[in-house]
Amino acid sequence: DTEVTQTPKHLVMGMTNKKSLKCEQHMGHRAMYWYKQKAKKPPELMFVYSYEKLSINESVPSRFSPECPNSSLLNLHLHALQPEDSALYLCASSQVGTSGRGEQFFGPGTRLTVL
Amino acid sequence: ILNVEQSPQSLHVQEGDSTNFTCSFPSSNFYALHWYRWETAKSPEALFVMTLNGDEKKKGRISATLNTKEGYSYLYIKGSQPEDSATYLCAFNSGGSNYKLTFGKGTLLTVNP
Repeated sequence: DTEVTQTPKHLVMGMTNKKSLKCEQHMGHRAMYWYKQKAKKPPELMFVYSYEKLSINESVPSRFSPECPNSSLLNLHLHALQPEDSALYLCASSQVGTSGRGEQFFGPGTRLTVL
Repeated sequence: ILNVEQSPQSLHVQEGDSTNFTCSFPSSNFYALHWYRWETAKSPEALFVMTLNGDEKKKGRISATLNTKEGYSYLYIKGSQPEDSATYLCAFNSGGSNYKLTFGKGTLLTVNP
């Protein structure tokens, strides 16, 4: 299974809502990533987990809260978002120890709209 | 701030044409260069990971070259087909921060039948 799945595919939320994005992989990868992509811009790294521990936080606002409950799952909890947070959120995974030379496997993304 | 530039931004070709596009990246602190293919509403799919100066990689009709000294990589598609229509992204890793990829904006390729 070389697939990374993400749910939901689309999400519309108000600024006072709390919601979560989910990502799952069963490739045995121990590095997992969240990226944000706005229209006509490249994907931007938000967080990296390595062995279920937060390894990189690219100065992301605290209204985004990542969680890696086990080696297959990655969540992104959303609270009090702003309309400018509307974007495509991509999850990816890779092997650990390949230090940037390893292929990252991406999910199809969650299209988030904040009203 | 790392700059990864891709050109052209978009490209329209006829079926059967061969085409190529460019990714330029910082030539210092090079660690790896990734190429991805991203079709609308699908997951970005890794094409190549290139690490050595002079690397050439091939997958079917798609190939890529790497020049780390001057900081560029070319992606070539031979005999384009409509199913090659996608955005082609390159991503640079400087090795300074494990796992962190800096992406270019991509080249949107449309192959007309």
